[in-house]
Amino acid sequence: DQQVKQNSPSLSVQEGRISILNCDYTNSMFDYFLWYKKYPAEGPTFLISISSIKDKNEDGRFTVFLNKSAKHLSLHIVPSQPGDSAVYFCAASHPNQAGTALIFGKGTTLSVSS
Amino acid sequence: DSGVTQTPKHLITATGQRVTLRCSPRSGDLSVYWYQQSLDQGLQFLIQYYNGEERAKGNILERFSAQQFPDLHSELNLSSLELGDSALYFCASSVAPGIYEQYFGPGTRLTVT
Repeated sequence: DQQVKQNSPSLSVQEGRISILNCDYTNSMFDYFLWYKKYPAEGPTFLISISSIKDKNEDGRFTVFLNKSAKHLSLHIVPSQPGDSAVYFCAASHPNQAGTALIFGKGTTLSVSS
Repeated sequence: DSGVTQTPKHLITATGQRVTLRCSPRSGDLSVYWYQQSLDQGLQFLIQYYNGEERAKGNILERFSAQQFPDLHSELNLSSLELGDSALYFCASSVAPGIYEQYFGPGTRLTVT
């Protein structure tokens, strides 16, 4: 049973435009959400996170939005750059889960063309 | 560079064999996590250690075991290897168990033939 779902395996965007990556979750106990970026042959890199007490968090070109009632979060990248081309993973965790293991979605491959 | 190191980068071995993957966390991080990424399953949590003690277990097979040493480095031992164990194995670290942000190493690619 997949608790974190990224339903779009891929997304193509032109340089300078907005990239919107989506993530849905099923476990209402999740209270913290993270986005990771992964280039080939490298480990995932932490990008941005959001606590369930917030609905928005910004860091430079990256903004994460959380809609708890819809159990949905999204990552906005504005403006998109060719260097943003990578696989993006959504992850979630909650305090009742043993330790602080992250539950990952299967990822969305973003391609930004110049 | 996340500051998390993993060795070896690549490992090729035969079915039935045993291997050890090694991880050094970021300086100052006390908690270490192991994840497996296979083609069809995505990133799956295996096990977590904090300051030398096992903290949480995920989908880790009984053939797999891990430990964290006093210098905080960790090893993941995989035994009686099967073809299906071929995957990328990532180590991650965080300052403490209550801190959700984890920093990942570059991974070890294990190929079982």
